[in-house]
Amino acid sequence: NAGVTQTPKFQVLKTGQSMTLQCAQDMNHEYMSWYRQDPGMGLRLIHYSVGAGITDQGEVPNGYNVSRSTTEDFPLRLLSAAPSQTSVYFCASSTYAGNEQYFGPGTRLTVT
Amino acid sequence: KQEVTQIPAALSVPEGENLVLNCSFTDSAIYNLQWFRQDPGKGLTSLLLIQSSQREQTSGRLNASLDKSSGRSTLYIAASQPGDSATYLCAVIKGNTPLVFGKGTRLSVIA
Repeated sequence: NAGVTQTPKFQVLKTGQSMTLQCAQDMNHEYMSWYRQDPGMGLRLIHYSVGAGITDQGEVPNGYNVSRSTTEDFPLRLLSAAPSQTSVYFCASSTYAGNEQYFGPGTRLTVT
Repeated sequence: KQEVTQIPAALSVPEGENLVLNCSFTDSAIYNLQWFRQDPGKGLTSLLLIQSSQREQTSGRLNASLDKSSGRSTLYIAASQPGDSATYLCAVIKGNTPLVFGKGTRLSVIA
């Protein structure tokens, strides 16, 4: 099993550009989520999904879009990148929300 | 709103020392509590998951305890090694809602 994979590892965007951060898991997990990690702020939830076709907002959803068309994939879209979105982004998955969570290696995003 | 606090924010100990990391949470009606380790520039690695019906879990030199009534969990690391240097995060889960994280304790074990 590859576990939770994220691409790309690093990305630099200009303000206003859009992009998609990819997240995939091969453990047949129903629950997937996206977090951002910033110095002094800890990990904050952006969006989550309890299964294919179902998504919901977390603590900091503005400027981000998600969809879940398959169990395996949960991409995060930045619609119009802003410098405030410079962060490290982590994807996580588990069998259900209350169970052990597994994290991907992260994507380090810089918006100039 | 659930809040999770980890004290201390940073800790430096000599190699071989036993140490305790603390995690407290404001809403005791949690489902699970999970401890993670994060190395600089890396993702989170799950260390231990304690379910609400359990009082402790052990893995090697690590032992995590949970006291729901007082809103506390501790992570005990025995015979610390330089390779244990990392940031340790705790997170709580209530029902079907996502994890709420503490801000972590940065541990340095000095050889």
